[in-house]
Amino acid sequence: EAQVTQNPRYLITVTGKKLTVTCSQNMNHEYMSWYRQDPGLGLRQIYYSMNVEVTDKGDVPEGYKVSRKEKRNFPLILESPSPNQTSLYFCASSLFGNNSPLHFGNGTRLTVT
Amino acid sequence: AQSVSQHNHHVILSEAASLELGCNYSYGGTVNLFWYVQYPGQHLQLLLKYFSGDPLVKGIKGFEAEFIKSKFSFNLRKPSVQWSDTAEYFCAVNLFSGGYNKLIFGAGTRLAVHP
Repeated sequence: EAQVTQNPRYLITVTGKKLTVTCSQNMNHEYMSWYRQDPGLGLRQIYYSMNVEVTDKGDVPEGYKVSRKEKRNFPLILESPSPNQTSLYFCASSLFGNNSPLHFGNGTRLTVT
Repeated sequence: AQSVSQHNHHVILSEAASLELGCNYSYGGTVNLFWYVQYPGQHLQLLLKYFSGDPLVKGIKGFEAEFIKSKFSFNLRKPSVQWSDTAEYFCAVNLFSGGYNKLIFGAGTRLAVHP
């Protein structure tokens, strides 16, 4: 089954404790992206990647890192999480090109205390 | 800067009522337009999309949307809503730049349908 898999689904952590949210897709998509969803703000792009070893900042990259060592994986790294990073995070992927809609993962709800 | 505006943050309807959710975008170039739906506790799912051709597009579950280029709008409609349509709806505009998809989302409209 074609899908985007995120883990974990729920995560509660404390300020400053490094964490990684994994994202994997099995559709051989070149493009992958991370979004955070906050009430009243919709989805805002954190980072995106057009292919292996090619990543770039989205609209709200501060406090986040990503890597794209393999085509299928695009982990989101929070080196030192802070409470303002409490949010719902979505990973998405698509084929390269403007006619390809994004496929979303199930989301990761992160709480930083 | 490019942006997407959804006019209503919360909409409450009774079953069988008609629905129209507004969406306007600010970008002068070529765009692809999407509506995504997020049911409670779930991820976003594509409802419908417009790339070119007939500006009236039909999606899943009886939804449709009309692209009006002169008004920069892409409103979502459904003639008769059901309780199962309770969800949050996101309008999104795809800007094709440098070969990749930059998808800009609206803030979302939370729809509650009462039986």
